[in-house]
Amino acid sequence: AQTVTQSQPEMSVQEAETVTLSCTYDTSESDYYLFWYKQPPSRQMILVIRQEAYKQQNATENRFSVNFQKAAKSFSLKISDSQLGDAAMYFCAYRSADYGQNFVFGPGTRLSVLP
Amino acid sequence: ETGVTQTPRHLVMGMTNKKSLKCEQHLGHNAMYWYKQSAKKPLELMFVYSLEERVENNSVPSRFSPECPNSSHLFLHLHTLQPEDSALYLCASSQDAGRFNQPQHFGDGTRLSIL
Repeated sequence: AQTVTQSQPEMSVQEAETVTLSCTYDTSESDYYLFWYKQPPSRQMILVIRQEAYKQQNATENRFSVNFQKAAKSFSLKISDSQLGDAAMYFCAYRSADYGQNFVFGPGTRLSVLP
Repeated sequence: ETGVTQTPRHLVMGMTNKKSLKCEQHLGHNAMYWYKQSAKKPLELMFVYSLEERVENNSVPSRFSPECPNSSHLFLHLHTLQPEDSALYLCASSQDAGRFNQPQHFGDGTRLSIL
């Protein structure tokens, strides 16, 4: 079974600075998808960014980008120009490309943004 | 309305009560999920419905009973719950038709407290 690890339970960053959240996963599969979700205090989980394992190019979405290292099974999230609204729990998630397999979430990293 | 809607937002019940959580998605998705989110624990997948059929039941106690009457609605019927069942219950939906890079869309959750 796949597992997802986020080794940083809590992180903090100064407003306008850059922060990187780490995520590693364990799988024997070659085809899969990776996601970062954000859960603010309002509770709703919101998709931040996704990456297909077959793509070598790292995904970017505005201030959010990933560093996907397939051989190392690493999928870190970089947040540039941090804003107060970025404060939230961030969850890394894995999904197999095999039919019937569902999402596996990491334990989360709580990000605080300091003014 | 758009997205995934969960009701009620908060629920307090005694151990002998019977209640139901409701989830409705307005995204035209064909898969729906129930997750349990407890403090300091990873998201726990409880049930998965695909095309209104239950495809996964992750060893959830029988005091939790899901129901999916159609592709837009998902219920979680609760009875004789225990204090350790207090948690945030999240509903999600996704479009699964061989497109496994599609993310899940989450509701705001129901905060359940068992007295």
